[in-house]
Amino acid sequence: NAGVTQTPKFQVLKTGQSMTLQCAQDMNHNSMYWYRQDPGMGLRLIYYSASEGTTDKGEVPNGYNVSRLNKREFSLRLESAAPSQTSVYFCASRSPGQGAGEQYFGPGTRLTVT
Amino acid sequence: GQQVMQIPQYQHVQEGEDFTTYCNSSTTLSNIQWYKQRPGGHPVFLIQLVKSGEVKKQKRLTFQFGEAKKNSSLHITATQTTDVGTYFCAGYRGAQKLVFGQGTRLTINP
Repeated sequence: NAGVTQTPKFQVLKTGQSMTLQCAQDMNHNSMYWYRQDPGMGLRLIYYSASEGTTDKGEVPNGYNVSRLNKREFSLRLESAAPSQTSVYFCASRSPGQGAGEQYFGPGTRLTVT
Repeated sequence: GQQVMQIPQYQHVQEGEDFTTYCNSSTTLSNIQWYKQRPGGHPVFLIQLVKSGEVKKQKRLTFQFGEAKKNSSLHITATQTTDVGTYFCAGYRGAQKLVFGQGTRLTINP
């Protein structure tokens, strides 16, 4: 099992460009998440999907959109990138359990917006 | 909303010394999780504590959950260079949202 995979690993964008970050998991998990990590701020939740067909906002959703394509895949889209979106982006999925259950993280995408 | 604070932000120790990081929540937590992130890597789940006053051990790591379920700690005995990384605590806000502390970055002088 590959666990959680993310593409690309690195990306440089110019302000105003758009891109989609891809995430897939092969653990048959219902819940999937997108986080961003900035120095000194831990991980902050952008969007999550509790199950196929549903998505909800997290702590910092502005400037992002998501799509839960199927049970395996959950993508994050930046429509018009801004320098404030320079960050490391992690996708995660969660083993079953309401309000509990460990999360499995992908390797991350390091995004720079100039 | 629920805030999870972690201290210290950084800790540098000599190899063999002990290390402790503390986590405090503004609200009662149903459970608390701990993750480790190696430099350049991704967070990896270490443990989950559920019960008030719970203590769990993993080799040299000891995890505690406070009696009021609002604080937690991770203690590493006799640090080794393999312990280098950032340690995060996290608690669920509702059924889906995991709120992370800022993390404690541990560096070790061999």
